[in-house]
Amino acid sequence: EAGVTQFPSHSVIEKGQTVTLRCDPISGHDNLYWYRRVMGKEIKFLLHFVKESKQDESGMPNNRFLAERTGGTYSTLKVQPAELEDSGVYFCASSSLGQGPPGELFFGEGSRLTVL
Amino acid sequence: AQSVAQPEDQVNVAEGNPLTVKCTYSVSGNPYLFWYVQYPNRGLQFLLKYITGDNLVKGSYGFEAEFNKSQTSFHLKKPSALVSDSALYFCAVRDTTRTGGYNKLIFGAGTRLAVHP
Repeated sequence: EAGVTQFPSHSVIEKGQTVTLRCDPISGHDNLYWYRRVMGKEIKFLLHFVKESKQDESGMPNNRFLAERTGGTYSTLKVQPAELEDSGVYFCASSSLGQGPPGELFFGEGSRLTVL
Repeated sequence: AQSVAQPEDQVNVAEGNPLTVKCTYSVSGNPYLFWYVQYPNRGLQFLLKYITGDNLVKGSYGFEAEFNKSQTSFHLKKPSALVSDSALYFCAVRDTTRTGGYNKLIFGAGTRLAVHP
């Protein structure tokens, strides 16, 4: 079974540019989460999808961030325009809905974003 | 506010010695606690969890963790460290403000474990 996949693994852009990160969850997982880790800090929650619906986007830093989940499958996270403080590792995680142990998430390898 | 604290940025231990990585939490209600590990260039991997029951939980790769409600702690332990255990370890607690299939986790800042030969 394929795990959670994220693309790109690393992106280097200049301040003001746009970047789109993609996450493909495990097939059949309705829950999809985005998290971010800024260098040396805790991993912070950004938002949560159930299928195609946003359930909780309380962690999104500002309106420069836009997340979508087309048809309840893969998800994209767009940062436009990117700022220096957006640099970090963006993790995607998925889990089945209402099944399995609570809190056990399956994470991708992360997308490292560097804004210069 | 719900939070997780990992007081040590790095833990150094010699191979074969016991190791402890500390974690304390603050959450309303009964906590669901987790440890995840991140090896270099890899995603976070689930290690173990405490949901209910026995305070000592066993997980992958010989790791275990002890839940202590009075001290609000969930320290990760291993009796004999291996060089291959060197990685970044994250403690997490489930957000208790939501229920059902909602699995939002609150993470600590991570502790880097370095096991020396």
